[in-house]
Amino acid sequence: GAGVSQSPSNKVTEKGKDVELRCDPISGHTALYWYRQRLGQGLEFLIYFQGNSAPDKSGLPSDRFSAERTGESVSTLTIQRTQQEDSAVYLCASSLDRGSGDTQYFGPGTRLTVL
Amino acid sequence: GENVEQHPSTLSVQEGDSAVIKCTYSDSASNYFPWYKQELGKGPQLIIDIRSNVGEKKDQRIAVTLNKTAKHFSLHITETQPEDSAVYFCAAANDYKLSFGAGTTVTVRA
Repeated sequence: GAGVSQSPSNKVTEKGKDVELRCDPISGHTALYWYRQRLGQGLEFLIYFQGNSAPDKSGLPSDRFSAERTGESVSTLTIQRTQQEDSAVYLCASSLDRGSGDTQYFGPGTRLTVL
Repeated sequence: GENVEQHPSTLSVQEGDSAVIKCTYSDSASNYFPWYKQELGKGPQLIIDIRSNVGEKKDQRIAVTLNKTAKHFSLHITETQPEDSAVYFCAAANDYKLSFGAGTTVTVRA
């Protein structure tokens, strides 16, 4: 079956512009996660959705970052007034349910470059 | 919060030899420990995981060991092949939030 998909695969933007990144999770997965991966580093947790609600936004770096999920499916991560330090790969993952031990399946990521 | 440290950061092995990657974690409440493999330009893919009630798990050439007392876990790859070349990440979780190590770049020399 289809895995997690993300679009665009690459995004180049100018400092100060807003960007929107999209994630389509595996059908039927109720939990959805966003992570950021800076060059040569591990993954940083950003936000977790259970259904359409986000009970944990603790990883969002600043109020320029926001995310929403609709229809218990697609999610968008929005970065306003982008800064050069926002350059990274943004990864989305989904799992069947929440809870420890539920495998998180990752998409291919969106590589964001802020000039 | 949870802090996961991973060593080494790079590992070069001769094809056919074994590779070992070690991770330590700080939160004694963590009870789920997955390992992910990430190839260039792709998202991480789960290769094996272990839960806190198990000390060791094996899947063909890959094995993971867990020592809860010492709060460390390791990935062992035997009979390495060129296709094992990738970045490997360990992670620890209590509930839904995965905390990742910084990654190990494994290169298998032919």
